[in-house]
Amino acid sequence: KAGVTQTPRYLIKTRGQQVTLSCSPISGHRSVSWYQQTPGQGLQFLFEYFSETQRNKGNFPGRFSGRQFSNSRSEMNVSTLELGDSALYLCASSLELRPTEKLFFGSGTQLSVL
Amino acid sequence: DQQVKQNSPSLSVQEGRISILNCDYTNSMFDYFLWYKKYPAEGPTFLISISSIKDKNEDGRFTVFLNKSAKHLSLHIVPSQPGDSAVYFCAAIESGTYKYIFGTGTRLKVLA
Repeated sequence: KAGVTQTPRYLIKTRGQQVTLSCSPISGHRSVSWYQQTPGQGLQFLFEYFSETQRNKGNFPGRFSGRQFSNSRSEMNVSTLELGDSALYLCASSLELRPTEKLFFGSGTQLSVL
Repeated sequence: DQQVKQNSPSLSVQEGRISILNCDYTNSMFDYFLWYKKYPAEGPTFLISISSIKDKNEDGRFTVFLNKSAKHLSLHIVPSQPGDSAVYFCAAIESGTYKYIFGTGTRLKVLA
């Protein structure tokens, strides 16, 4: 069974640009969530989608948005990039989001904003 | 406002000894806790979990302890092995919303 796939692995952008990151969950998984990892901040929750609906949202500005398609694939978009957006963006999937459900993570997209 | 805190950014332990990683939380609505391990250039992988109705869960060399009154959990690794060198994240799940909140991580280095 293929794992969670994130593309691209690396991305370099300049301030003011926008970027779209992609995540393909494990086959059959309906919940996809996104996290931002920066040194010293751990994994910050961005949002979670289940069956194309956003169910949870973290404390990020509106420049960060996402969506989920009918095949459970998800995209995350960041507009008007800032230097502070440089981070590793991780996507995770699970069958459904229950308290006991563990997350399966992709390897992440390393975004550098210059 | 960091609801889940790992106050030790790094820890070094000799091979064969015990590694103890700590995690504190502030939200009393958390009812499930997990530990994830992360190697460089890979995503985190699930290690062990514990429900708030328990105070201990064991899986091989890994044991998680939960002290609800102190809002504290810890991960014990015995014996520690060089392959355990990684960043460890604790995570808590909020009852009702199912929102995962992760800590800042502790980098464990097991010295051979």
